[in-house]
Order: sequence, then structure tokens, then C-alpha cells
Amino acid sequence: RKEVEQDPGPFNVPEGATVAFNCTYSNSASQSFFWYRQDCRKEPKLLMSVYSSGNEDGRFTAQLNRASQYISLLIRDSKLSDSATYLCVVKDTGRRALTFGSGTRLQVQP
Amino acid sequence: DAGVIQSPRHEVTEMGQEVTLRCKPISGHDYLFWYRQTMMRGLELLIYFNNNVPIDDSGMPEDRFSAKMPNASFSTLKIQPSEPRDSAVYFCASSSPRGQVYEQYFGPGTRLTVT
Repeated sequence: RKEVEQDPGPFNVPEGATVAFNCTYSNSASQSFFWYRQDCRKEPKLLMSVYSSGNEDGRFTAQLNRASQYISLLIRDSKLSDSATYLCVVKDTGRRALTFGSGTRLQVQP
Repeated sequence: DAGVIQSPRHEVTEMGQEVTLRCKPISGHDYLFWYRQTMMRGLELLIYFNNNVPIDDSGMPEDRFSAKMPNASFSTLKIQPSEPRDSAVYFCASSSPRGQVYEQYFGPGTRLTVT
């Protein structure tokens, strides 16, 4: 079983739609959680950290459920420029390294 | 500020040849990571360094792979001999231990094709 699992998609949504991605992680000792974004043939970049109480950054909302070992990302009012692969990322306690999910691909259509 | 710099951006080589990938981290960052990304396996951590010292190399696939960090501003990942299954995008990333910030800054990657 992979340490971080995501639905690969693709999710094809129209502009203006709300879309949600989910992610599960296997290590209950995981400490920190993030969403990274990767555009086609580019490097991954940090989108946002995920806090226990949930957090929002503009149109993006991230939630964490430690009991279920589940992370989510909600994107409201999708833009064409949101088209990318979204990587769920976990940091385990005591390690500096990050573990990346395989990513969920989003395609926003006009 | 310059980001993480990697070279070459593209490398095409024949099976059996030696390949050296290079990385310059962001100045002041004391963690450096090497990743490999393929369609099948996603983004995998190969090795990471802290203050030029290798901390975890458990992701290095086999003895054909080696990585060095001779100083704070330079690291290499070497594959010798290369095999077609090594074809992938290799990313270098760096980070700083400031507070609770764990953001890693990735370079543009080296796209390696082994024929």
C-alpha cells in the first residue's frame, strides 16, 4: 500500500465549478501536511499547508481529518489557470523528507 | 533571488554510459533533496543532505546511483552505468529549517532519456 494515495483523475470541470480532491495517508505518526501544485512539464510548487483546524487561501480550502488519516482540497470558482496536477504531501515526525502522492490531475474547461 | 538551478535540463544518453546531474541550491538553504519522477511511480525521494552530509539515502535504487555534496552550493547525482529504466525527470530541491516552514523549493528538473 502506498504511503500517500490519491485519485489520479483526471477531473474535467467547467470554469466556475467547485471541485474537491481527497487524499489518504497510511502513517498515523505523520506530522505535517501540504498540497503542492505541478504544472505540465514543470516543477512542483507549494500551494498551501494544511492545518488541523482547516484553512483557507482565497478560493482554496484545505481540511485535515487525523482520525481518518484523510486530507482534502476544495477549489471554488475554478479558473482555466487552475489546470494542473495537485500533489498531496505528508511529512513524518522526526524526518525532514516529504512523501508525495502521485497527484490528481485537474483540467478546467472553458 | 535565483531559485534552485539544475543542469543539464535535458540529457539523452546510451545505455551503459555515465550520467552526472548537477544542482545548485538556494543560497542559505541547508537541506538538499534529490527526487526522481516517473509516470508509473510518481515523485520518489532518492536522498537528502543536511549541511552537506547525507542523512537518508534509503531511496537510492541501487549501487549504480551515487550522490555527493562537496559544499553548500553544489551537489551531484551520478548514475553509472545508466540503464533505460533510469529514464525519468530528476528534481533537486532545497529548503531552510526556519521555524515550522517545511516548504521545499524545486529546480526545473533534468529530463533524462537512456536509450
